[in-house]
Amino acid sequence: QKEVEQNSGPLSVPEGAIASLNCTYSDRVSQSFFWYRQYSGKSPELIMSIYSNGDKEDGRFTAQLNKASQYVSLLIRDSQPSDSATYLCAVLIRYALNFGKGTSLLVTP
Amino acid sequence: GAGVSQSPSNKVTEKGKDVELRCDPISGHTALYWYRQRLGQGLEFLIYFQGNSAPDKSGLPSDRFSAERTGESVSTLTIQRTQQEDSAVYLCASSSRLAVSSGANVLTFGAGSRLTVL
Repeated sequence: QKEVEQNSGPLSVPEGAIASLNCTYSDRVSQSFFWYRQYSGKSPELIMSIYSNGDKEDGRFTAQLNKASQYVSLLIRDSQPSDSATYLCAVLIRYALNFGKGTSLLVTP
Repeated sequence: GAGVSQSPSNKVTEKGKDVELRCDPISGHTALYWYRQRLGQGLEFLIYFQGNSAPDKSGLPSDRFSAERTGESVSTLTIQRTQQEDSAVYLCASSSRLAVSSGANVLTFGAGSRLTVL
């Protein structure tokens, strides 16, 4: 079993809609979770980090964590075409971030 | 420096040749990571340095891969006798000691070195 799993997509949403990206992880002791955004041909950049169960909001982004279900998600409200990118879920396991394969998001005008 | 700097940005080599990829982390960042990203794939962890010590090298794909770091600065990833399956973008990232110890582990990535093995 992969340590961090994501649906590869592509996930297509119309402009202005809510995009919902999901991630599951296998290591029960993990405490730190991250969402990175990667535009084509570019390096990943951090969007959100979350450490506690529940929701964490930052602008149009909300990260949700459920440690009991080993599940973390990212909601993007009022999606914009500029949000079109690959979103990588990352889980801190021991000392290194383990990344999922990423979900490709396409926001259509 | 202001960010993580990697060189070369692009490298095309022939199968069987050795290559060296360089990473300059953010000044003061004690933790340094190498990842590999094949086309259309996620990031594959290769190795982690804390200072110039590498506690875990188990992510290195084979004994053709090696990495070293000078103090808390430059790191070099060396691939010997390159194979076509080594073609990928090699990403370096760094993090401060505070971020790592607190579990925040916020990584800042370089732009990557794209390696193509013909």
